[in-house]
Amino acid sequence: NAGVTQTPKFRVLKTGQSMTLLCAQDMNHEYMYWYRQDPGMGLRLIHYSVGEGTTAKGEVPDGYNVSRLKKQNFLLGLESAAPSQTSVYFCASGRPRRGWTEAFFGQGTRLTVV
Amino acid sequence: DQQVKQNSPSLSVQEGRISILNCDYTNSMFDYFLWYKKYPAEGPTFLISISSIKDKNEDGRFTVFLNKSAKHLSLHIVPSQPGDSAVYFCAARETGNQFYFGTGTSLTVIP
Repeated sequence: NAGVTQTPKFRVLKTGQSMTLLCAQDMNHEYMYWYRQDPGMGLRLIHYSVGEGTTAKGEVPDGYNVSRLKKQNFLLGLESAAPSQTSVYFCASGRPRRGWTEAFFGQGTRLTVV
Repeated sequence: DQQVKQNSPSLSVQEGRISILNCDYTNSMFDYFLWYKKYPAEGPTFLISISSIKDKNEDGRFTVFLNKSAKHLSLHIVPSQPGDSAVYFCAARETGNQFYFGTGTSLTVIP
């Protein structure tokens, strides 16, 4: 069982370039999330999805777009990368528990925008 | 403004002793609280949870305490083991899907 797999693990972009981060999960979870982690900040939710074909904004959605065309995949896109988007990005899938959802995280993608 | 705060960036404890990690929050509407553990180069993994209707939850060596009047959460690890060395995040949720995470506390357990 691979769990949650993020591709790529590292990437360096130039300002203005675009890219897509791929998240794949094999646990058949309905919920999926994209977070970013920055020094001195906790993990902050960018976008999330409660099922195939649905997406919703989180705490810091600006500059990002997402798509959930298949249940197992959640894509995070940066249309025009900015240095402020240098961060470690974590994808997670969610398993419903009694009253809340347990998140299973991928290993992270370290993105540097120069 | 951060709704969940972990004011201690790091903590060192001797093996076998108790580790106490603290977390403060500002939103009285939070209904679930979680602790996650993170090793280097890995994603966070779920450790333990507590509902706002409880004040304590225990799972083996890990116990989470909730003091709603003080808006304070703590994680106790007894006894601490070297394998517990990791970054610990607390997280809190207001009804819905979004959890708010603290900045993390790096725990080092010294053999």
